[in-house]
Amino acid sequence: SAVISQKPSRDICQRGTSLTIQCQVDSQVTMMFWYRQQPGQSLTLIATANQGSEATYESGFVIDKFPISRPNLTFSTLTVSNMSPEDSSIYLCSVAWGTNTGELFFGEGSRLTVL
Amino acid sequence: EDQVTQSPEALRLQEGESSSLNCSYTVSGLRGLFWYRQDPGKGPEFLFTLYSAGEEKEKERLKATLTKKESFLHITAPKPEDSATYLCAVQASETSGSRLTFGEGTQLTVNP
Repeated sequence: SAVISQKPSRDICQRGTSLTIQCQVDSQVTMMFWYRQQPGQSLTLIATANQGSEATYESGFVIDKFPISRPNLTFSTLTVSNMSPEDSSIYLCSVAWGTNTGELFFGEGSRLTVL
Repeated sequence: EDQVTQSPEALRLQEGESSSLNCSYTVSGLRGLFWYRQDPGKGPEFLFTLYSAGEEKEKERLKATLTKKESFLHITAPKPEDSATYLCAVQASETSGSRLTFGEGTQLTVNP
């Protein structure tokens, strides 16, 4: 198994500002994924972050809005830029422990509220 | 477009009262169907993977089954600690990358 730590666990932000979420894993992993869980909705994949290459973004998500860094095999950051109230959500970091990329370990999430 | 629909949205059971949760899916070639459990304030926790129709997986009081159009999560003699939101997700064989498409979940409450 993997232990995933996310910071911050929650934050209240002002419209127009940016916030960076950190994700630390206790072991080296190849693929890390960032998901969003909006209130009352299902989880949606934002992007896949691989070490040493650009993140791969899903339809509807762009690098300018959600820049991602992956400097090594245990760490990643997701920035939510120029926030609006619609960005209020839980942001979850996850990793695929084995070769099955559907069997994920998730962090506890970062709950962002944008005023 | 891949779609996952879970029902019911919420289910309240008495301790020991068995029931089933439903996950209907539409996907362009199924690579895998996954069940997760999510407790309040936590990230989802992986439970099961199913790959093909007719497959079944069991873990304690939970059993997951799969047909070509839906999956069921059967809960036998549930206990209050089984209270959680159960999420179903699919991964398409034609998906580029590793995207999971999640349903909105079934919120299960088991009363003592």
